[in-house]
Amino acid sequence: NAGVTQTPKFRILKIGQSMTLQCTQDMNHNYMYWYRQDPGMGLKLIYYSVGAGITDKGEVPNGYNVSRSTTEDFPLRLELAAPSQTSVYFCASTHYNEQFFGPGTRLTVL
Amino acid sequence: AQSVTQLGSHVSVSEGALVLLRCNYSSSVPPYLFWYVQYPNQGLQLLLKYTTGATLVKGINGFEAEFKKSETSFHLTKPSAHMSDAAEYFCAVSDPGNQGGKLIFGQGTELSVKP
Repeated sequence: NAGVTQTPKFRILKIGQSMTLQCTQDMNHNYMYWYRQDPGMGLKLIYYSVGAGITDKGEVPNGYNVSRSTTEDFPLRLELAAPSQTSVYFCASTHYNEQFFGPGTRLTVL
Repeated sequence: AQSVTQLGSHVSVSEGALVLLRCNYSSSVPPYLFWYVQYPNQGLQLLLKYTTGATLVKGINGFEAEFKKSETSFHLTKPSAHMSDAAEYFCAVSDPGNQGGKLIFGQGTELSVKP
């Protein structure tokens, strides 16, 4: 199993640009999550999904959108990038109370 | 609402010394509790978790934590620090009855180990 994979690893965006962060898991987990990590702030939940076709907002959803058309994939969309979205983004999936994290995407918005 | 507080954003110990990372939580229901470790430029990895049963839980790499309900604490310890333990550590809590298994994280504690 590859576990949770994320692409790209790094990205620099200009203000107002859009992009999609990809997340895929091959463990057949129903629950998936997107977090952002900022220095000294821990991880904040952006969106989560309990299964294909079902998504819900987390603590900091503004400026982001998600979809879950398959069990495996949970992409995160930024429509109009802003400097406040500069962060490290982690995708995770859950099995029996344990969350498995991807390696992260480091995003800079200039 | 649930919350997690980690006391000390930076902890420095000497190699071979005791490691103690503090975590206190707030929860209206008996929580599930977790410690995760993050090495530089990597994702988070589960160290240990408490769900039910024995309140002293052992994890990977010689770490353990004790759930103390009366103190609402879940401190992480390791008897003897190793250089390879240098990393950032996150305490997290979840509500067992909450659909989605969402985690609430503390702000993290960066552990430095001096030779």
